[in-house]
Amino acid sequence: DVKVTQSSRYLVKRTGEKVFLECVQDMDHENMFWYRQDPGLGLRLIYFSYDVKMKEKGDIPEGYSVSREKKERFSLILESASTNQTSMYLCASSSGLAGPRYNEQFFGPGTRLTVL
Amino acid sequence: RKEVEQDPGPFNVPEGATVAFNCTYSNSASQSFFWYRQDCRKEPKLLMSVYSSGNEDGRFTAQLNRASQYISLLIRDSKLSDSATYLCVVNAGYNTDKLIFGTGTRLQVFP
Repeated sequence: DVKVTQSSRYLVKRTGEKVFLECVQDMDHENMFWYRQDPGLGLRLIYFSYDVKMKEKGDIPEGYSVSREKKERFSLILESASTNQTSMYLCASSSGLAGPRYNEQFFGPGTRLTVL
Repeated sequence: RKEVEQDPGPFNVPEGATVAFNCTYSNSASQSFFWYRQDCRKEPKLLMSVYSSGNEDGRFTAQLNRASQYISLLIRDSKLSDSATYLCVVNAGYNTDKLIFGTGTRLQVFP
């Protein structure tokens, strides 16, 4: 079974703090993704990475950065947290093998971040 | 127009009922199609992939109409445990691993 783990289930931070969210997958997947999920807006892609040290912006990258130094680990960084970044953050991975059947993404349990 | 559109529901159905969810997508180059299930306060999990010929997995049947850019999910003999939000998911275009998620349709099955 694919396992995707995230460093925290719940996190409370103050405005202006630097926040690190960690994600680790154990299936040797090439692709990793960071989403945020908000009521009525669904899942929105922040950043994704298809290889170590490679990253691409998703739909809402502003205010975020990412780091992928090792294949199994993908970090999301909020340089200066703001209240509008209060959300559920979900990490996912997919194999990266060619073909539509390999697009399935496996999700971590999520981190509920509150910025006060 | 949203890239993936779903009726948000909620659909409230009794146990044993048959319920159908529909979804439309805007990018004709999409090649991968899925239904995910998300329980309250949990992460999304793959329910089933959707193939051009249609496919069935127990009580669940998925259909794809590429010409109309339309995907459906049929649940027969609904169980209480089917209560969840169902997300329609397509890949973002030709030869990409990016997925676009619909906002989901909420199903509540009552006794």
